[in-house]
Amino acid sequence: DTGVSQNPRHKITKRGQNVTFRCDPISEHNRLYWYRQTLGQGPEFLTYFQNEAQLEKSRLLSDRFSAERPKGSFSTLEIQRTEQGDSAMYLCASSLAGTAYGYTFGSGTRLTVV
Amino acid sequence: GIQVEQSPPDLILQEGANSTLRCNFSDSVNNLQWFHQNPWGQLINLFYIPSGTKQNGRLSATTVATERYSLLYISSSQTTDSGVYFCAVVTTDYKLSFGAGTTVTVRA
Repeated sequence: DTGVSQNPRHKITKRGQNVTFRCDPISEHNRLYWYRQTLGQGPEFLTYFQNEAQLEKSRLLSDRFSAERPKGSFSTLEIQRTEQGDSAMYLCASSLAGTAYGYTFGSGTRLTVV
Repeated sequence: GIQVEQSPPDLILQEGANSTLRCNFSDSVNNLQWFHQNPWGQLINLFYIPSGTKQNGRLSATTVATERYSLLYISSSQTTDSGVYFCAVVTTDYKLSFGAGTTVTVRA
C-alpha cells in the first residue's frame, strides 16, 4: 500500500467553474476525512465517512461543497461555482474507526481560483 | 470547540541548535498528535501522545494533560527539520483540531 493518494496535486480553475478532487485512502482504513488548509493556518475539518456513510457534513463550508464515498473506497470532494475564497489546500486523511492512531494524510490538492 | 494555540509562530535556528515548541489547548482531550508538514505539503505524524514523554531519534514530545499543554523538542537540528510543525488534538469521533503551526527554518 502506498499510503493516501490524492489527485490532482494542483488545480487552477476560473471563478464559477466546478472542480472535483479524488482521494484514495489506505485500503484497510474504513474512515476517511477531508480537511481544508489555507495559507498560514492549520488544517480545518470539513467532513468524514465511515465506509460509505457520511457521518458529519455540517462543517462543509457552504452548500457548494459536497463529498461522496460511493463504495466505501475512494472519495470525491466537489466544489461548485468556485469562488476566489475557495483557494486552499484540500487534504484527505484515513484511519481505522475507533482510533486516531495511524491517522495518515495524503499530499493534498492545491486549488487556485483565478 | 477546543482552542489550540501554538508558540512561537516562527523559529529560525542555526544547524545543530536545540529548540522547544509549545502547544496549549483549552479543554481536556483524549489525545494529541504532533505533525510535521514538509515544503511539499505532506503532513507526517511524529507523535501520538496523550500524556507522558516519547522520543524518536532527535525529536521528543511531552504532554501534561492535566495542565493542558504539550511540548515538542528538537535537538541538534538539521536543515531537513525545516517545515511547519502542527499539534492537533483529537476531538469527538477522532476528528483533529489543529493549531496554526510553528514554522521552523534551520539554516546551514
